[in-house]
Amino acid sequence: GAVVSQHPSRVICKSGTSVKIECRSLDFQATTMFWYRQFPKQSLMLMATSNEGSKATYEQGVEKDKFLINHASLTLSTLTVTSAHPEDSSFYICSARIFRGVINEQFFGPGTRLTVL
Amino acid sequence: AQKITQTQPGMFVQEKEAVTLDCTYDTSDPSYGLFWYKQPSSGEMIFLIYQGSYDQQNATEGRYSLNFQKARKSANLVISASQLGDSAMYFCAMRGAGGTSYGKLTFGQGTILTVHP
Repeated sequence: GAVVSQHPSRVICKSGTSVKIECRSLDFQATTMFWYRQFPKQSLMLMATSNEGSKATYEQGVEKDKFLINHASLTLSTLTVTSAHPEDSSFYICSARIFRGVINEQFFGPGTRLTVL
Repeated sequence: AQKITQTQPGMFVQEKEAVTLDCTYDTSDPSYGLFWYKQPSSGEMIFLIYQGSYDQQNATEGRYSLNFQKARKSANLVISASQLGDSAMYFCAMRGAGGTSYGKLTFGQGTILTVHP
C-alpha cells in the first residue's frame, strides 16, 4: 500500500522558535502533497498545496511567511512553522496524492501534534 | 465552491447494530468524488470508502456502504454490525475535479461515533 510518514509525531517548543515537520511518501512518488491543520474535535482545514519543484499554493487566510512549505523532491515535503506562538498549537497532517487508474487518491500521514508553550 | 455538511456532532449505537452517518454536499462541479474517513483518537486518517459522482452503483467495502443519492446531494455512510473498535470521529469529504477545486479535499465537520457494548 501507499505509506506516508511524518516526523516528528509530537513536538513541544517554546514560543518564538521555529519548528520543521517532514512529510515523506515511503513507497511512491508524490508530485503533490497537501498540508492540513486540525484543532481538537474539529475538521481538517487545508492550509496549502505543495507541488514538487514549485512554490506552494496557500489557502485564503494562511500566512505564507509563517508557514513555510518546501517540496524539494518527489518524496519529501516540509512545513516550517516560523516564530511559533501558543495559538499555532495544533495537529498538523500531511497527505500525498497518487494516481491509481482513473482515481487519484490521497494518503495521509499519521500527523504531528505541535504544542507551543 | 464546495461544501460538505455533517449535521450529527455525535452518534451512539449498540454493538452489532447498524448505524448511518449523514453527509450532504454542495458543488457546481459536474464531476466529483466523495470519501469517508475514520479518525480514531490516535489521529491517523483511515480511508474507508469512495464514491465517484458518475458511479451508478453505491460503493461498498466490507461493513461499510455508501448510500449515494445524487439528486438529494447526500452521501451517507452505513456501518453494519458495529464493533467497539468503530468508535471514532468520521469525516465525509469531497474532492473537486476542476478549476481551483481540482484535487483538493473539503471535509465536513465530522461525527463522533460511540459504540456501546
